[in-house]
Amino acid sequence: KAGVTQTPRYLIKTRGQQVTLSCSPISGHRSVSWYQQTPGQGLQFLFEYFSETQRNKGNFPGRFSGRQFSNSRSEMNVSTLELGDSALYLCASSLKGTVGELFFGEGSRLTVL
Amino acid sequence: GENVEQHPSTLSVQEGDSAVIKCTYSDSASNYFPWYKQELGKRPQLIIDIRSNVGEKKDQRIAVTLNKTAKHFSLHITETQPEDSAVYFCAEDFGNEKLTFGTGTRLTIIP
Repeated sequence: KAGVTQTPRYLIKTRGQQVTLSCSPISGHRSVSWYQQTPGQGLQFLFEYFSETQRNKGNFPGRFSGRQFSNSRSEMNVSTLELGDSALYLCASSLKGTVGELFFGEGSRLTVL
Repeated sequence: GENVEQHPSTLSVQEGDSAVIKCTYSDSASNYFPWYKQELGKRPQLIIDIRSNVGEKKDQRIAVTLNKTAKHFSLHITETQPEDSAVYFCAEDFGNEKLTFGTGTRLTIIP
């Protein structure tokens, strides 16, 4: 069974640009959640999707958005990038939601210059 | 709102000794408490979890205890081995599909 796949793995952007990250969950998993990982803040919850519906979101500005497609694949978008957005963005999939084992992807490492 | 405090931020123990990491949460409605291990350069992986209707759970050398009255839960690793070196994250969820993580503990096992 293939694991969670995130693309791209690495990317460099400049301030003001926007970025789209993709996450393909494990086959059969309908929940996808996203996290921002930084050295000082640990893992911070961004949002969770289930059957194309966002069920909850974390305390991030509106520049951070996401969506989920009918095949459970998910994307997140960050607009008007700031230096502080530099981080590892992890997605995780699970069968039903955030209560239960999450299977993480390897992450997309974003550097904003 | 949801908040999880995790201590200590770094921990070094001699191989074979025990390690304990503690987390405190604020929302009494929280009912699910997982622990994730992240080795250097790798993705986080679930190592153990506990639900609010249970006080303790063990899996070989790893155990988690939950004190709902005091709102804290702890990870216990016994007979530590070099491969236990990693960053450990606690987390909590009260069933609203929002998992809140602690800031992590970097555990180093000294051979």
